[in-house]
Amino acid sequence: LAKTTQPISMDSYEGQEVNITCSHNNIATNDYITWYQQFPSQGPRFIIQGYKTKVTNEVASLFIPADRKSSTLSLPRVSLSDTAVYYCLVGDINRDNQGGKLIFGQGTELSVKP
Amino acid sequence: NAGVTQTPKFQVLKTGQSMTLQCAQDMNHNSMYWYRQDPGMGLRLIYYSASEGTTDKGEVPNGYNVSRLNKREFSLRLESAAPSQTSVYFCASSEWGQQETQYFGPGTRLLVL
Repeated sequence: LAKTTQPISMDSYEGQEVNITCSHNNIATNDYITWYQQFPSQGPRFIIQGYKTKVTNEVASLFIPADRKSSTLSLPRVSLSDTAVYYCLVGDINRDNQGGKLIFGQGTELSVKP
Repeated sequence: NAGVTQTPKFQVLKTGQSMTLQCAQDMNHNSMYWYRQDPGMGLRLIYYSASEGTTDKGEVPNGYNVSRLNKREFSLRLESAAPSQTSVYFCASSEWGQQETQYFGPGTRLLVL
């Protein structure tokens, strides 16, 4: 499993775009990049996943360069309710894999201020 | 659909006591997981069950046992609780082979005195 490195904390203000970058230098060919969001006192919630280039959904965008050694989660126009911890995970989605071995690092604690 | 439910929400134990944390999912998922989260830390996998009838150790299995009772339910047992097991415990489930997309329960806060 590829190890990931991301900033421990970030501050932002309401209405700004927030970009959180994750490094995963040892990513393997079969690995996908997945981001989770965790609000205080709640379980993590899946927000976005990608393999290469750009993925966008109603919550966020995920940018992945050609070498796939890093990825950037982009949250457009954040609000106070986006204050949470964001985890970057890299794992093998080989459908024959019978393991649940996602490794959650410390994540990035995003604080959005008014 | 309730998704993933966990009971109890909060529990206080004395050192040496035993207890079972319950987890159930109504999404017809094959795979289920137990994690623990300590203050300021990410989640660590304790045990997982890829499918009904199978269980495997994760990163931190010592001091825990699990039972996959049926497809819906996956319980975590502490036979002799220790203060080091004070943590928040999360149960999760996923579709077969899609462990990167897991659905989490609300957590059980456990305090061992």
